[in-house]
Amino acid sequence: QKEVEQNSGPLSVPEGAIASLNCTYSDRVSQSFFWYRQYSGKSPELIMSIYSNGDKEDGRFTAQLNKASQYVSLLIRDSQPSDSATYLCAVGGSGGYNKLIFGAGTRLAVHP
Amino acid sequence: DAGVIQSPRHEVTEMGQEVTLRCKPISGHDYLFWYRQTMMRGLELLIYFNNNVPIDDSGMPEDRFSAKMPNASFSTLKIQPSEPRDSAVYFCASSFSGTNGAFFGQGTRLTVV
Repeated sequence: QKEVEQNSGPLSVPEGAIASLNCTYSDRVSQSFFWYRQYSGKSPELIMSIYSNGDKEDGRFTAQLNKASQYVSLLIRDSQPSDSATYLCAVGGSGGYNKLIFGAGTRLAVHP
Repeated sequence: DAGVIQSPRHEVTEMGQEVTLRCKPISGHDYLFWYRQTMMRGLELLIYFNNNVPIDDSGMPEDRFSAKMPNASFSTLKIQPSEPRDSAVYFCASSFSGTNGAFFGQGTRLTVV
């Protein structure tokens, strides 16, 4: 079992719709959770962090965390073509040090 | 701050040659990560440091790979000898306290022919 799992996609949504990206992780003692966006040929860019169960909103982005289910999600409201990218889920904070592990990423395509 | 700085941006080398990748983390950050990204395997953690000390190198694929962090502002990843299967994009990332997310450099695209 991979430590951090994501559906590779592609996830195709129309412009203006809500994109929902999901991630599960295996280490129950993980403490910190992140979403990164990576455009083709570029480096990963941190867009959201979440540490407690529940929702965290930042502009059009909402991160959701459920530690009991070991599940993290990212919602993108009013999706734009510029949101088309690969979204990487990262999990860290177990074992006393922040070993930051990434999922394989979900490719999102927003079509006009 | 200029962000995480990696050099070189691109490296093409022949099989068997030594390759050294360099990283300057963000000032004040106490964690430094080296990752490798390929289409097949995604973003793999190779090694990470806390306060210049290697904490976990279990992701280093073989003894041909080594990493050092002689001070808080510099780290190297060395491959000796290099092989074609080492071709990938290598990223360095740094973080403050390890709980605030990591910030990535622009990466080094390595091609071993």
